[in-house]
Amino acid sequence: KQEVTQIPAALSVPEGENLVLNCSFTDSAIYNLQWFRQDPGKGLTSLLLIQSSQREQTSGRLNASLDKSSGRSTLYIAASQPGDSATYLCAVVPTQGGSEKLVFGKGMKLTVNP
Amino acid sequence: GAGVSQSPSNKVTEKGKDVELRCDPISGHTALYWYRQRLGQGLEFLIYFQGNSAPDKSGLPSDRFSAERTGESVSTLTIQRTQQEDSAVYLCASSNLNNEQFFGPGTRLTVL
Repeated sequence: KQEVTQIPAALSVPEGENLVLNCSFTDSAIYNLQWFRQDPGKGLTSLLLIQSSQREQTSGRLNASLDKSSGRSTLYIAASQPGDSATYLCAVVPTQGGSEKLVFGKGMKLTVNP
Repeated sequence: GAGVSQSPSNKVTEKGKDVELRCDPISGHTALYWYRQRLGQGLEFLIYFQGNSAPDKSGLPSDRFSAERTGESVSTLTIQRTQQEDSAVYLCASSNLNNEQFFGPGTRLTVL
């Protein structure tokens, strides 16, 4: 059974730092990996999607990498800002199971202090 | 363009009542998913619809839960005889050909 882990559960940093958020998954048989952010009381906003054949994706100050063989992904946030404060979720679509459902980690709550 | 929409945004009900939650996916997205997020827990998959294929209902927690989808549009999630443990945020998502899932704002269900 696929399990996704995000450590640490929470992180508090001063504004301007470059951040690395970690995600690990137990089974390398995945179709893709997706990073989301969730603001309090809101739904999920898709940040980046990495297909299983890709190594990384970039969007603005965000860069996500995927090492499928080791079961790891990292989300890099450059020059963090208070507006980046949110919970960040990593999720994978396992190839087994027949449907393209996401398996989520429990998220990492990021606080960027001005 | 319009994103995924869900209604109602909040629902408070009494134990034992039935509730119906609605999801309008992004136009043209053939796949639709329901997830549940209980307080302090991760998101759990409930059900998946893809075109005219039989839905994947493997995540539904009990037979009190059911869902329907009309063609490639609206979906409704129905919970019968609600229990307090059904209290959660129910999230709907739809995906494009790239399999990137886009989520709605959710329905917060509180069962008293």
